[in-house]
Parts: sequence; C-alpha cells; structure tokens
Amino acid sequence: GQNIDQPTEMTATEGAIVQINCTYQTSGFNGLFWYQQHAGEAPTFLSYNVLDGLEEKGRFSSFLSRSKGYSYLLLKELQMKDSASYLCAVKDSNYQLIWGAGTKLIIKP
Amino acid sequence: GAVVSQHPSWVICKSGTSVKIECRSLDFQATTMFWYRQFPKQSLMLMATSNEGSKATYEQGVEKDKFLINHASLTLSTLTVTSAHPEDSSFYICSAVVGLAGPNEQFFGPGTRLTVL
Repeated sequence: GQNIDQPTEMTATEGAIVQINCTYQTSGFNGLFWYQQHAGEAPTFLSYNVLDGLEEKGRFSSFLSRSKGYSYLLLKELQMKDSASYLCAVKDSNYQLIWGAGTKLIIKP
Repeated sequence: GAVVSQHPSWVICKSGTSVKIECRSLDFQATTMFWYRQFPKQSLMLMATSNEGSKATYEQGVEKDKFLINHASLTLSTLTVTSAHPEDSSFYICSAVVGLAGPNEQFFGPGTRLTVL
C-alpha cells in the first residue's frame, strides 16, 4: 500500500529552527510537495521537489532523497505565524497526490 | 497566481436537505479538479477526481450517489451533498490543477464548512 509518515505534532521556539520529516512509500514517484495549512483554512503551496537535494525559498527549505524515500521541511527564524499544520504529499505513478496526515507545529514565544 | 473560489464559504442546513458547493478556477482553465473532505484535526481525505466533461472518479468508500459531482466546464465543478446528515458535517475543499504531470501544484479553494443539524 501507499504510505506517508510525518510526526503528529512538534513544538519549537520563536526565532529557532525546526525540521519536519516525511518518509514515504508509494507506487512510483513524480514529485513531493509541502503545503502549509492554518486551522480552518485551505492548504497553501510551499515547495516542490522532484530531484534529490535541497530547494531553498526564503526562510523555508525542502530536501529530498528519493533513494531513502525521505524528505524534510526546514523552517528558519520561526515566527508565531508559522504555527500551522504542514502537509507532505507525494505524486505517485498515476500523478495522484498521496497525502500525509500532517504535522501540527506549535510555536512558543 | 492562480485563484480558486468556493461558494458558499459556510452553510448550515437541516438533516435530509441537499447542499450544493461550487468550485471555480477564476483565472485559469483547470483540466482536473479534486474534492476533499477534512474532519477536525485530521488530514485531507480525497473524495473524488473530476475532469471536465466526464464522470468523476470516486475514492473507495465514497458514495457517488450521495456526493454528486458535475464538472460542467474547465472553470466550474460542483459537489452536491444529497440528503445530508449530521455525520456529513465537515470542511469540504476543492482544488484545481492544470495538467497532472510535473510541478503543477494543486490550487486550493478556501473551503466550505458544512454543518448539518
């Protein structure tokens, strides 16, 4: 079966750095997405990785290792507004997005 | 950027009534639209995939006769929850994409919160 694993919840301090991991087992791979979702709102796109390596976009970076079926989202200089759920999703061989359950990130002052 | 709208943003209805939710891509033509449901503190659950002019593909466990999807054009898809019951209360979100391959991310609508009394 297809499976995506992420930690359920993480806590970090304002101004710090946090890494949210995602491991996946899917039938085929056509890219990995990270989305941010604030409570009661729809997800918003953060990043896309299809090749191994690190993609940096401002305070957010996303890393992919296809051989390990592993990705992480790195958030730097955390702000209170970063408190949200972070969803990892993998596009499988049929180009269908398989979603992880999301990681709830709590930022403390 | 690509914008997807949903209407209504929230609805409260009595048990047994039907509710229609519209999803529109405002500034692009979407080859495919997706309908998701999300219960509190849970992740997105894909309900169905909809392509313009063809029947929707429903995920396992989703009743196609209860959740009617009509994808009339490249910019509009509707989800009708027929004979709604309290257990159908949820956050319904649509998304749209231009092509399935490559980095084409799904653009999400703002969601519709349905409460069935």
